[in-house]
Order: sequence, then structure tokens, then C-alpha cells
Amino acid sequence: AQSVTQLDSQVPVFEEAPVELRCNYSSSVSVYLFWYVQYPNQGLQLLLKYLSGSTLVESINGFEAEFNKSQTSFHLRKPSVHISDTAEYFCAVRPVDSSYKLIFGSGTRLLVRP
Amino acid sequence: DGGITQSPKYLFRKEGQNVTLSCEQNLNHDAMYWYRQDPGQGLRLIYYSQIVNDFQKGDIAEGYSVSREKKESFPLTVTSAQKNPTAFYLCASKSLDSNQPQHFGDGTRLSIL
Repeated sequence: AQSVTQLDSQVPVFEEAPVELRCNYSSSVSVYLFWYVQYPNQGLQLLLKYLSGSTLVESINGFEAEFNKSQTSFHLRKPSVHISDTAEYFCAVRPVDSSYKLIFGSGTRLLVRP
Repeated sequence: DGGITQSPKYLFRKEGQNVTLSCEQNLNHDAMYWYRQDPGQGLRLIYYSQIVNDFQKGDIAEGYSVSREKKESFPLTVTSAQKNPTAFYLCASKSLDSNQPQHFGDGTRLSIL
């Protein structure tokens, strides 16, 4: 079985400050890893994913995440946040041998203040 | 543009009533999913379907039913047996290529009158 832990339910940060949203997972099999973002009253949008290869993955809007197999982590970072980054962020894993089963963390609300 | 359309955006249910949430996709995806989202709990899988006329229960299927008569459509019925239906419901779809992610609709918020 797999599980995903997002250690912080809410992260307040000032605009232009750096931020890290933490994600740890537990799995007995190899997994793919994802970060999704959800704006109020909307669905989830894929932010970035790790399937294989370089352990550092980047999104088009300045976020990056690094897969650390030894620490079973996939933390999300951004060096300078904007007000528009205020949203809920979900980390998720999917077993490599399963095309359907996506397991989500409980989410972290990023609140960017001016 | 291709995407997933969920309707209605807001829905109210009376006690003892069944309600159906619509999900349509034009992405030509084979697999479709229904999730329930509650505050602080992330998303939980209700049902999923990987092919027309076939579907499987997820982690919290009790009190819900689905059908998959067409590739594009995967409606979810919240039955009167679901005692705590107030939640945000999200539909997703995905191609069977294992490298591809799930795509989500904008959700339906269901409340009890």
C-alpha cells in the first residue's frame, strides 16, 4: 500500500519570499510522483511530475521539485512567490505498475501575503 | 479546446433524494474517475472506469453508483444511502498510457438542504 504525507496544512509567506511545501511518501513499490495545484472552486491542475531520469523537475511558472529516493520525499519549492500562487497544493503518487491508482496527500494551502 | 466538463457547478439535495452529477470529456481518454474532496482530507477515490461498460469501486463507493455507457460520459449518482454527501466532487480522465497524468474537471459542490 502507498501513503502520502504533507506535513503542513497551511503555509503563510510574504510575496517574493522563497517557499518549500513538504511531501513524503511511503511505498513498497516504485512510484511516479506528482504535484497538483487547486485554485478556489476549481479542479486540480498538474503542476509537475517525476517519472524517471533527472530527479529535479521544473514547471513553467517557476516551481521545482526534487525526488529524493533515500528520504522518500518530493518537496516543492519556489525561490520567489507571487500573490497569484495562493492556492492549495496536492502531492500524489502512483505505483509504476498501476495506471489507475493515484494516492493523494491531504494538501497544503499556500497563502501569499503582500 | 479539449477538456472535462462537470455539471452542475452547485447542487442541492433533499433528504432521501438521489442526485446525478454529470461528467463529460472530449479528450478521447479511456479511463475516467470520480473523487470526493473534503476539507483537510485530500481526494478519495469513489469509482473508476477503464473501458466502456465496465467500472470498479474505489475506496469509498458505498452510497454511490456510476455507469459508463459511452466513452465520453461517466455520470455519478449520489444515492439516499450516502448519509454524508456534502462535499466537492471531482471527475478526472486519463489515457491508458502509463506516463500520462490524470486531467480534472472543475468540480461539483453538493450540499444538503
